[in-house]
Order: sequence, then structure tokens, then C-alpha cells
Amino acid sequence: EVQLVESGGGLVQPGGSLRLSCAASGFTFSSYAMSWVRQAPGKGLEWVSAISGSGGSTYYADSVKGRFTISRDNSKNTLYLQMNSLRAEDTAVYYCAKPPTTVTTWYFDLWGRGTLVTVSS
Amino acid sequence: EIVLTQSPATLSLSPGERATLSCRASQSVSSYLAWYQQKPGQAPRLLIYDASNRATGIPARFSGSGSGTDFTLTISSLEPEDFAVYYCQQRSNWPPTFGPGTKVDIK
Repeated sequence: EVQLVESGGGLVQPGGSLRLSCAASGFTFSSYAMSWVRQAPGKGLEWVSAISGSGGSTYYADSVKGRFTISRDNSKNTLYLQMNSLRAEDTAVYYCAKPPTTVTTWYFDLWGRGTLVTVSS
Repeated sequence: EIVLTQSPATLSLSPGERATLSCRASQSVSSYLAWYQQKPGQAPRLLIYDASNRATGIPARFSGSGSGTDFTLTISSLEPEDFAVYYCQQRSNWPPTFGPGTKVDIK
């Protein structure tokens, strides 16, 4: 079955760190760029970060640049998001997302169920 | 970054009616625009990409049109399962951005 399963969310204090994981199955993971997209409670969608299939290129939204690091382990079919210096405004459901084709990087046709990150003291 | 504006914010319609949702970009995105549907507690689902192409498995009652800065998502006859929030998203310019959404609810 083609699917993405996120994990690693939870409650963290401001300034803290968290590492999210996304396990992929059912497709050739290494062929696809992958993204993280987040959604604050009751709000819209915000693209956060992306990484090329090889892992050689990474991209970040200005709101997380310098604090978040995206990476992947193609031998484990897993995507990661290391989040440091967390702020209250980072509170959101974090989705990993896959594009429809290997060349259409910036649309997303497969999403995980998301993992909730809550930044609060 | 490109800002997407969606209207109306809420659309109240009855099953069987036609829904017309609008998305406007702050600058031209050519045809690089997608539409997503999101139901409460669920991840978004890709409906339309490149302005007018239906994604795999999307019913024919969903159609997209437009280019440049003005785009429309049309649902020809609303089914009960279509009541949801709809987002547009552009990939023309980095970073990819989403609109604020239009909620289609039952009248």
C-alpha cells in the first residue's frame, strides 16, 4: 500500500527540540523529492521544507530557516525534520507529502495523517 | 512570495447545487495552480493540478479553469461528501504557497 506515516510529535517547551519522522512505503522513495507541510490549529496550510530525492538539495520556508533541518535516509525509506529553537507559532499538525511525479516537485498528491507538535510551557 | 486570495471565505449551498470557488494570485502563476480538498481531521487531497487537470481518481464533477492570476474550481453538482474546505496552491514561484481556503458548507 502506498502510504506515509508520520511520528515524533508531542508537547515541547519553547526553545526546545523535536525530531519528526515519516515512514514511506509502496513507492520508490528515493525517486521523489519530499516535503513537510504544516497546519496550525484551525488555520490554513503552510509549506515548511523540502528535500530532493538524493538528499543533496534542501529548501526551507523563511519562517523556519536556520531552526529546522530536513533530511532523509533512502535505505530506510524515511524522511526527517529536526526542529530546534521551537516557538509557540510552530504549533501545528505536520504532514509529510509526496509529489505526483518525480519531476513535479511542488504539488502534493500523497499525504500522511500528520503528527501534532505543540510548543507550550 | 506569491499571495493567493480565495473567495468567498464560506459558501453555503445545498446538495445538487453548483459550487464556484475563486482563487486569485498576487502575480501571474501561469497555469501552475492546484486545488485541494480537506475534511475535518483529514489530510488534504489533491483534486486539480496545473489549473485544469484532475488528479487520479477525482470525479468528473470537479473541474478547474483559469490562468495567469485568476482561477476557478467548479463542482458541478454537490454531493454530500463534497462539503469541506478547499485550498488553492501555486508552484510557479518558490516558495510554494497556499490560499487561506474556502469552506463549502451545507445550507
